Amino acid sequence: DSGVTQTPKHLITATGQRVTLRCSPRSGDLSVYWYQQSLDQGLQFLIQYYNGEERAKGNILERFSAQQFPDLHSELNLSSLELGDSALYFCASSVAPLASYEQYFGPGTRLTVT
Amino acid sequence: QQPVQSPQAVILREGEDAVINCSSSKALYSVHWYRQKHGEAPVFLMILLKGGEQKGHEKISASFNEKKQQSSLYLTASQLSYSGTYFCGTEGEGFGNEKLTFGTGTRLTIIP
Repeated sequence: DSGVTQTPKHLITATGQRVTLRCSPRSGDLSVYWYQQSLDQGLQFLIQYYNGEERAKGNILERFSAQQFPDLHSELNLSSLELGDSALYFCASSVAPLASYEQYFGPGTRLTVT
Repeated sequence: QQPVQSPQAVILREGEDAVINCSSSKALYSVHWYRQKHGEAPVFLMILLKGGEQKGHEKISASFNEKKQQSSLYLTASQLSYSGTYFCGTEGEGFGNEKLTFGTGTRLTIIP
């Protein structure tokens, strides 16, 4: 158990819908990362927050957005969902904002868009 | 640019050794190694930083050639528990590059 929690574990929704994925980092970690993992793309970095502020951005679509709240939990919002958005979404946390610190991954949310 | 891992897959008998390689076309500040078992989250193994610092599990061995932008993960006397997909993640140098780009993974299967 990494100490990072994610909810829900599974999510099935239809195209065009909007969903919110939630992540709580390990106690003491200020940085949260979001990754998308699909079969043909591997682990893709989406976005990073540190202590409530956006720190780094990857290949995140405009239909996706995220935020980190004062209690340090983070939410990833996915809207106008398409079939291709079906994937495993991981959040990870680390103590510092730099990528050169170990990241601890949550169990993931499996999103299926039908 | 996504780092390239080799081999893509390897099958070993318990007790055998393996080397997994990770190569990047850009200047790197750090290389991370993670292992992911099927249906589970990636688990941190090691970080290798430019300048020689390493952070990670004692039983894991790895190297980082800064000039060639290459890293290798050494798995010795493999155990059944080593099975899984190994990912390297690379962090570039300079402002704006402090994020990990992961390779496509190396699937390791250990058989008794």
